[in-house]
Amino acid sequence: KNEVEQSPQNLTAQEGEFITINCSYSVGISALHWLQQHPGGGIVSLFMLSSGKKKHGRLIATINIQEKHSSLHITASHPRDSAVYICAVRYMDSNYQLIWGAGTKLIIKP
Amino acid sequence: NAGVMQNPRHLVRRRGQEARLRCSPMKGHSHVYWYRQLPEEGLKFMVYLQKENIIDESGMPKERFSAEFPKEGPSILRIQQVVRGDSAAYFCASSPTGAPRDPEAFFGQGTRLTVV
Repeated sequence: KNEVEQSPQNLTAQEGEFITINCSYSVGISALHWLQQHPGGGIVSLFMLSSGKKKHGRLIATINIQEKHSSLHITASHPRDSAVYICAVRYMDSNYQLIWGAGTKLIIKP
Repeated sequence: NAGVMQNPRHLVRRRGQEARLRCSPMKGHSHVYWYRQLPEEGLKFMVYLQKENIIDESGMPKERFSAEFPKEGPSILRIQQVVRGDSAAYFCASSPTGAPRDPEAFFGQGTRLTVV
């Protein structure tokens, strides 16, 4: 069983829709990362969270430490948001190793 | 994250050849991490280096793989006698410190290695 579970695995939506991607983990963490990977491209770090909520443009990330759950939201989605979104956690007893989720493939149709 | 430079972007090697992947961290960053993404799989940690030191190589295969981060120049991930199973995307990340609450690491664009 993967220690970092993402859902859904695949998501197709129409332009303008509100998008939510979920991430659950099973052990205590010191930080959670949301990253974006474009087809054939590199990885962009979107957020690092240890508590609460962060917002950057149309992206919002929240984390609930007690429930071991994080969500990434995209408002007013656009085709250029199409990418794989990856959740990764850093365990309490590790200051560098990241455990990665399998990713959520998002397609936004115009 | 454009500051983390990896090259080459694409590398094709025949079985048995050597592959050298380079990562130049962002200016001022002295911590480098290498990750491997196998086809249809998530990323896996390989090695964590600081300048001239390997801090943790627990994710590195025991044979054929090595990494270095010299005082001057880029970090190098070296794969000797490549096999088809080495075909993957290799990502490098850098950060200014390795502390637990470090700001997010910056990632390179990756090197896609294909072994034919």
